[in-house]
Amino acid sequence: DSGVTQTPKHLITATGQRVTLRCSPRSGDLSVYWYQQSLDQGLQFLIQYYNGEERAKGNILERFSAQQFPDLHSELNLSSLELGDSALYFCASSVVPGTTGELFFGEGSRLTVL
Amino acid sequence: GENVEQHPSTLSVQEGDSAVIKCTYSDSASNYFPWYKQELGKRPQLIIDIRSNVGEKKDQRIAVTLNKTAKHFSLHITETQPEDSAVYFCAGEQDANFGNEKLTFGTGTRLTIIP
Repeated sequence: DSGVTQTPKHLITATGQRVTLRCSPRSGDLSVYWYQQSLDQGLQFLIQYYNGEERAKGNILERFSAQQFPDLHSELNLSSLELGDSALYFCASSVVPGTTGELFFGEGSRLTVL
Repeated sequence: GENVEQHPSTLSVQEGDSAVIKCTYSDSASNYFPWYKQELGKRPQLIIDIRSNVGEKKDQRIAVTLNKTAKHFSLHITETQPEDSAVYFCAGEQDANFGNEKLTFGTGTRLTIIP
């Protein structure tokens, strides 16, 4: 158990819909990262937050948005869903603001868009 | 930005043999290179990492080497065992200003250990 909690574990929805994925980082970790992993693909960095502020952005689509709340949990919002958005979405947290150190991944949220 | 290339994409080795996975990176300013292991259906987990001031690091059957001049680093697994079967990801971190580091992952290597 990494200490990072993601909900829901599985989500099935239709094209055009909007979903919210939730992540609670390890106790004491201030940085949260979101990654997308499509079938047999690598880990695509989406976005990073540190103590409520956006720190770095990857190839995140405009249809996607995220935020980190005062209690440090984070949410990833995916809207106007397309078939290609089907993927495993990982949240990770770390102690320090940057990633020079271990990233602790959650179990992921598997999104299926039909 | 940083570009990390990883080879091979798939690798099968006989149990007990060694496995080597290679990665190259593009940003000469990158200074941190972790390796993550992802077992089927599980989350990625850090197995070893190396910083740019070190050329080699070992942890039991796992070792990582770094060649800064050539901008490549490799994962070596010796005496492979069935539980080593997994997808392995290398990564490189761009050293921007503190707090803005970004970890770029390679595309992964699916390692299969043949009993």
